Amino acid sequence: GQQVMQIPQYQHVQEGEDFTTYCNSSTTLSNIQWYKQRPGGHPVFLIQLVKSGEVKKQKRLTFQFGEAKKNSSLHITATQTTDVGTYFCAGPIINDYKLSFGAGTTVTVRA
Amino acid sequence: DSGVTQTPKHLITATGQRVTLRCSPRSGDLSVYWYQQSLDQGLQFLIQYYNGEERAKGNILERFSAQQFPDLHSELNLSSLELGDSALYFCASSVEGRGEAFFGQGTRLTVV
Repeated sequence: GQQVMQIPQYQHVQEGEDFTTYCNSSTTLSNIQWYKQRPGGHPVFLIQLVKSGEVKKQKRLTFQFGEAKKNSSLHITATQTTDVGTYFCAGPIINDYKLSFGAGTTVTVRA
Repeated sequence: DSGVTQTPKHLITATGQRVTLRCSPRSGDLSVYWYQQSLDQGLQFLIQYYNGEERAKGNILERFSAQQFPDLHSELNLSSLELGDSALYFCASSVEGRGEAFFGQGTRLTVV
């Protein structure tokens, strides 16, 4: 079955540094979505990418969707303490509706 | 506030019991998803409904069942509960079932 893999599982970042989390699917996705879950909270939608090779930015966050629509990345620049949380990617495969989530990347920030 | 309402927020019950978790989707959303999140784990997809019909199924145990009613609210029934069923159960809704999903606050189930 479809699997969405995310690496790394944990990311410890010094405040002000950049980092990237990666998402890979075994099958082609119809779109890729990114969510953020703060400690003790619920997942909150960040963004959706649909087109092959698409790049979108939200302030310090840059999201990319791979050419083959099987992988994606989230790059955060100048990490702040407000970036703490778990970032999940999720995507339905082509001709399916199941929204499968990766295991998430849990980010901690050292001030 | 996502607009998705889940009740109850917390539930403590004994092994072998049965519980029902309820979800009211955002106004206008036709699709409802159920996820299980164990401690420090990811989101395990259980099941999805669209406009009252089951649309996709994940690794949902036979002891678990769900349905979506004509008013679009959904219920997740968990029976013969085991200690390992203790988890956070999230409901999410979306307009048509492939796009942006809005999550409720979750129901924390503790089986003792």
